[in-house]
Amino acid sequence: DAGVIQSPRHEVTEMGQEVTLRCKPISGHDYLFWYRQTMMRGLELLIYFNNNVPIDDSGMPEDRFSAKMPNASFSTLKIQPSEPRDSAVYFCASSSLAGTYEQYFGPGTRLTVT
Amino acid sequence: AQSVTQPDIHITVSEGASLELRCNYSYGATPYLFWYVQSPGQGLQLLLKYFSGDTLVQGIKGFEAEFKRSQSSFNLRKPSVHWSDAAEYFCAVQSGGGADGLTFGKGTHLIIQP
Repeated sequence: DAGVIQSPRHEVTEMGQEVTLRCKPISGHDYLFWYRQTMMRGLELLIYFNNNVPIDDSGMPEDRFSAKMPNASFSTLKIQPSEPRDSAVYFCASSSLAGTYEQYFGPGTRLTVT
Repeated sequence: AQSVTQPDIHITVSEGASLELRCNYSYGATPYLFWYVQSPGQGLQLLLKYFSGDTLVQGIKGFEAEFKRSQSSFNLRKPSVHWSDAAEYFCAVQSGGGADGLTFGKGTHLIIQP
């Protein structure tokens, strides 16, 4: 299994630009999670989906952030417009209740907004 | 709301010595508990998890953890550390049912002295 795939691995953009992060979960997993990691706030949950439906988006910082899951094998996290304080590592994770509750994490996307 | 406290930001241990990383959680019911490890520039890898049953759980790479309900703790241990264990370690809690996102502690940075 290829594991959770995220792209791009690194993204550098200027303030005000739109940024789109992508995630492909493990095949057969029905839960998908987006996390953000910063030095100040640590790892925090942004949003998660079950069967492509957003369940809890209370962690999304503000309206500039949006996430979608158009199908079981793809999700996006979009920031528009981006700001320097959005600089962080964004992780995607997936899990399935058919087996264990273990969340498998992708390698992350390091976002730098200048 | 649930929370996780890892009181030690940094820990330095000599190679071959034993290790204990502390984790305290706050949650109203019986939580699901996890320890993850993150190497520099990498995603998170699950070391072990506790859902129910035996309070001493074994994980990968020779790690174990003990759930103590009376102390709201889930400390990670290893009898003899290796230089390759140097990494960031995160304790996490998940509400019962396993379908929610994880709430992470701030992490403990483990340094191994030769």
